[in-house]
Amino acid sequence: DAGVTQSPTHLIKTRGQQVTLRCSPKSGHDTVSWYQQALGQGPQFIFQYYEEEERQRGNFPDRFSGHQFPNYSSELNVNALLLGDSALYLCASSHTSGRSYNEQFFGPGTRLTVL
Amino acid sequence: AQRVTQPEKLLSVFKGAPVELKCNYSYSGSPELFWYVQYSRQRLQLLLRHISRESIKGFTADLNKGETSFHLKKPFAQEEDSAMYYCALSGRNTGFQKLVFGTGTRLLVSP
Repeated sequence: DAGVTQSPTHLIKTRGQQVTLRCSPKSGHDTVSWYQQALGQGPQFIFQYYEEEERQRGNFPDRFSGHQFPNYSSELNVNALLLGDSALYLCASSHTSGRSYNEQFFGPGTRLTVL
Repeated sequence: AQRVTQPEKLLSVFKGAPVELKCNYSYSGSPELFWYVQYSRQRLQLLLRHISRESIKGFTADLNKGETSFHLKKPFAQEEDSAMYYCALSGRNTGFQKLVFGTGTRLLVSP
């Protein structure tokens, strides 16, 4: 098992463009969470997908949207890119079991640079 | 609001010295606290969580609800402990599945 995989590794875009990032969860996991990590900061929760629906959302504008597919993989879409969207985007997967915290396993991240 | 504070950006110690990475939190209720670690060129991974009460790689962390702290400690640092350490919390107020991270502390262990 390769664990959580993300693509692409790096991405350069210009302001106003749109971007799609992809994530494949660890085998056996059904839940995907996305985090944004700006330089020098800790990861910030964007949203989480379970059963192909957004289950929880952090404090991010509607420009950030996502999707989960029947095979549990997920996409993060960001529209109308701003310079401030430049960051490392982390995907984390987990297996939902009960209502307590389920350990999240992180991918290597996608480095997005907005020029 | 839920918040995690790690006051030190960098902690530099010599091999064999004791280490304490500080973490304070703000949370209304009973949070779950975690330490995540990121070694060079590796992905973020869970080091330990307070409910497990385990010692991982010689590290321990005790939840102090009175001081709202969850400091990470190791009595004798090793060079391979050099990494970025993030304290994080979760709980009912965050919807259980959302992790709130601190800004991280870089631990540098010199020979």
